[in-house]
Amino acid sequence: EVQVLESGGDLVQPGGSLRLSCAASGFTFSGYTMKWFRQTPGRGLEWVSSITPRGDKTYYADSVKGRFTISRDNSNNRLYLQMNSLRAEDTALYFCTSTQCSGGKCYPAYWGQGTLVTVSS
Amino acid sequence: DIQLTQSPSFLSASVGDRVTITCRASQGISRYLGWFQQKPGKAPELLIYAAFTLQSGVPSRFSGSGSGTEFTLTISSLQPEDFATYYCQQVNDFPLTFGGGTKVEIK
Repeated sequence: EVQVLESGGDLVQPGGSLRLSCAASGFTFSGYTMKWFRQTPGRGLEWVSSITPRGDKTYYADSVKGRFTISRDNSNNRLYLQMNSLRAEDTALYFCTSTQCSGGKCYPAYWGQGTLVTVSS
Repeated sequence: DIQLTQSPSFLSASVGDRVTITCRASQGISRYLGWFQQKPGKAPELLIYAAFTLQSGVPSRFSGSGSGTEFTLTISSLQPEDFATYYCQQVNDFPLTFGGGTKVEIK
């Protein structure tokens, strides 16, 4: 059974940093693109970042570019999101997803339960 | 950025009804569209990808169609467990974007 489990969410002050982690199991982690999304009641679902199977290509939403870094450890089946210079608008429930790819495009197929990041003083 | 507009944003229906949700893209995205179901307090679940391919384990009462800029999600006979919010998402180009959602409630 495919499972992804996020952790690392916390209350952090504006300007602070946080590292989210996602533990994957039940599939060949090193063979799949992975993604981070976030969700808030006000802005809905937002894509944050994606990383290719070998980690050689990364992509970011403009709102997090230069502040967030996605990475992966294929030897330990883990995905990470390093979040720096956090802002109040980064407050959200963050989801890690594995993917289902078709026609060269990858869809977020399996989602974790989410980890809550709150940025507030 | 590619904007996705879902309609309706709210839908009231009865068990057994046929339900159709539309998603319109601001520019052509070929068939690179997915549909998701989300229940309160839960993560989204992928129902359909590539516009019409049913994700493994998803009941056959769900179907998708469309290409280019107009897409539909159809539930052929609404079941009690289908009352939820549905989202479309395009993966044609970065940034990946979602529609605003359609909440399906019991009439």
